[in-house]
Amino acid sequence: NAGVTQTPKFRVLKTGQSMTLLCAQDMNHEYMYWYRQDPGMGLRLIHYSVGEGTTAKGEVPDGYNVSRLKKQNFLLGLESAAPSQTSVYFCASRVSGGATDTQYFGPGTRLTVL
Amino acid sequence: GQQVMQIPQYQHVQEGEDFTTYCNSSTTLSNIQWYKQRPGGHPVFLIQLVKSGEVKKQKRLTFQFGEAKKNSSLHITATQTTDVGTYFCAGRFGNEKLTFGTGTRLTIIP
Repeated sequence: NAGVTQTPKFRVLKTGQSMTLLCAQDMNHEYMYWYRQDPGMGLRLIHYSVGEGTTAKGEVPDGYNVSRLKKQNFLLGLESAAPSQTSVYFCASRVSGGATDTQYFGPGTRLTVL
Repeated sequence: GQQVMQIPQYQHVQEGEDFTTYCNSSTTLSNIQWYKQRPGGHPVFLIQLVKSGEVKKQKRLTFQFGEAKKNSSLHITATQTTDVGTYFCAGRFGNEKLTFGTGTRLTIIP
């Protein structure tokens, strides 16, 4: 049981390049989330999904797209990377319902855009 | 918008001293969660508070949820070097999303 995994762990992009971050969870969770973490700003929600085939915007969605084609995977895409997107990206998942709505986080992807 | 304010941003304490971080929301929360992030790591769930005035303890950690369900605190008694990290509160306003505070980074002076 790996929990939440993220690929890649590190990446350096040039301005204008595109890339996709992959998040996978093996806990059969319905809800999945993408956050970015910047110094002094905590965790800010980019996009989220409440189930396979659904996505919704979070607090800072501009410049990002997401897809949830399979329940266990949640992809975050950057079509044209900008230096302002340099950040650490965390994926999280949680079960729907239950006694607690704990979010389980992946190890993170450190992205640098030059 | 729905915001959760957290103070202080940084706290440096001598090993053995106590530590407290506070969270405040302008609107009532459905519940509040606390997470810990070690340096270079990812956030890890600590606890969830749901009821008005709730107090929960985990060894040296005490979590409180205010009577109006708008504020919360985390208190660590007699800090140890293993307590180093950033502590985040995260409030749920009754929907699918958590709103995280900006975190309090705790450093311990041996």
